[in-house]
Amino acid sequence: EAGVAQSPRYKIIEKRQSVAFWCNPISGHATLYWYQQILGQGPKLLIQFQNNGVVDDSQLPKDRFSAERLKGVDSTLKIQPAKLEDSAVYLCASSLARTGSNNSPLHFGNGTRLTVT
Amino acid sequence: AQSVSQHNHHVILSEAASLELGCNYSYGGTVNLFWYVQYPGQHLQLLLKYFSGDPLVKGIKGFEAEFIKSKFSFNLRKPSVQWSDTAEYFCAVNEPGSARQLTFGSGTQLTVLP
Repeated sequence: EAGVAQSPRYKIIEKRQSVAFWCNPISGHATLYWYQQILGQGPKLLIQFQNNGVVDDSQLPKDRFSAERLKGVDSTLKIQPAKLEDSAVYLCASSLARTGSNNSPLHFGNGTRLTVT
Repeated sequence: AQSVSQHNHHVILSEAASLELGCNYSYGGTVNLFWYVQYPGQHLQLLLKYFSGDPLVKGIKGFEAEFIKSKFSFNLRKPSVQWSDTAEYFCAVNEPGSARQLTFGSGTQLTVLP
């Protein structure tokens, strides 16, 4: 099966600029996640979608980050305006259902490496 | 709230050495436990998982992990590492049946010298 697709792979922007990342999950996967992985740390969940609804966005900095999954398939994550501390790898993952289910492991994309200068 | 500690940030071994990577979590209830691996230039992949039953779980590529509830630990082991095991390893935990998603540790970079 095709994996989780993310684009772009790399992005360099200046602080206060805007940036958007795109994710296409594995076909049929209802749940989609965006994680932020800062260098030297483990991935941190930003937002979780179940189909086109938000399940958990408690750790999303909503003053500058936004995400949508309008048709319940692909998703975009936007940062506006970016800060230096947003430099990180942004990972998208998908699963058939919630991770609590035995048959629904997370499948990760290759991520987008963002550098804010 | 859940948290995961991986105390070894970087481990360097020679080929054929035995491996044990530590993982401790803090959560009082029932948990699901995972180890993910990220090979250089590749995406995170599931190595193994524990949901219930036998606390010794076997994963891909000869890896295994043991859940010790009394120690809140889920250490990853491999009896004989290979150069191709060079990667970053992440321990993760979540609460069964909950919408709350994976909480990851900070990762351990394993370098295997040929």
